[in-house]
Amino acid sequence: DTEVTQTPKHLVMGMTNKKSLKCEQHMGHRAMYWYKQKAKKPPELMFVYSYEKLSINESVPSRFSPECPNSSLLNLHLHALQPEDSALYLCASSPFSLKETQYFGPGTRLLVL
Amino acid sequence: DAKTTQPPSMDCAEGRAANLPCNHSTISGNEYVYWYRQIHSQGPQYIIHGLKNNETNEMASLIITEDRKSSTLILPHATLRDTAVYYCIAPGSGNTGKLIFGQGTTLQVKP
Repeated sequence: DTEVTQTPKHLVMGMTNKKSLKCEQHMGHRAMYWYKQKAKKPPELMFVYSYEKLSINESVPSRFSPECPNSSLLNLHLHALQPEDSALYLCASSPFSLKETQYFGPGTRLLVL
Repeated sequence: DAKTTQPPSMDCAEGRAANLPCNHSTISGNEYVYWYRQIHSQGPQYIIHGLKNNETNEMASLIITEDRKSSTLILPHATLRDTAVYYCIAPGSGNTGKLIFGQGTTLQVKP
């Protein structure tokens, strides 16, 4: 089973809202990732978790707050977002580290009004 | 991380082989080459990866030149469902190893 699931599929939020994106994998992978993809652009790495600890933050604004409660679950908490944050947010996982094959979820399409 | 260069777009007739080139002339000796694809509005999908030898799996073949400066992804019998953006990535050695997606090649498979 090489499935990464993400919920919700779509999310619309106002600039004052607080919402969370959820990502789950049951492959026993110990590395998990958040990517952001704007329309017609390639995905860009945001955060990397390794063994449930944040190992890379690609200078992402603090209005994005990641959390890894356990090895199967990855959350992205959103607060006070801007319209330019509207994008497809992708989660991925790999067995142990960045240097291995990553398996991506279908993404959450976020619209900030 | 090695920089990769791909043509922005390619067309292929359905049922024919699609050959997607990638240049990675700055790749170092222990950097793998990965290929992913992204069908419209879906998450990227892993296709194949290799280091020195040619590789084949149920989805595609990867041909890497002897000097490792370029590679070609081959979809042997392209179907309409293979229409996607194909990314060639060399994640890099050391602690980086990040997947840095370039613009990729948009492959259009035509009937």
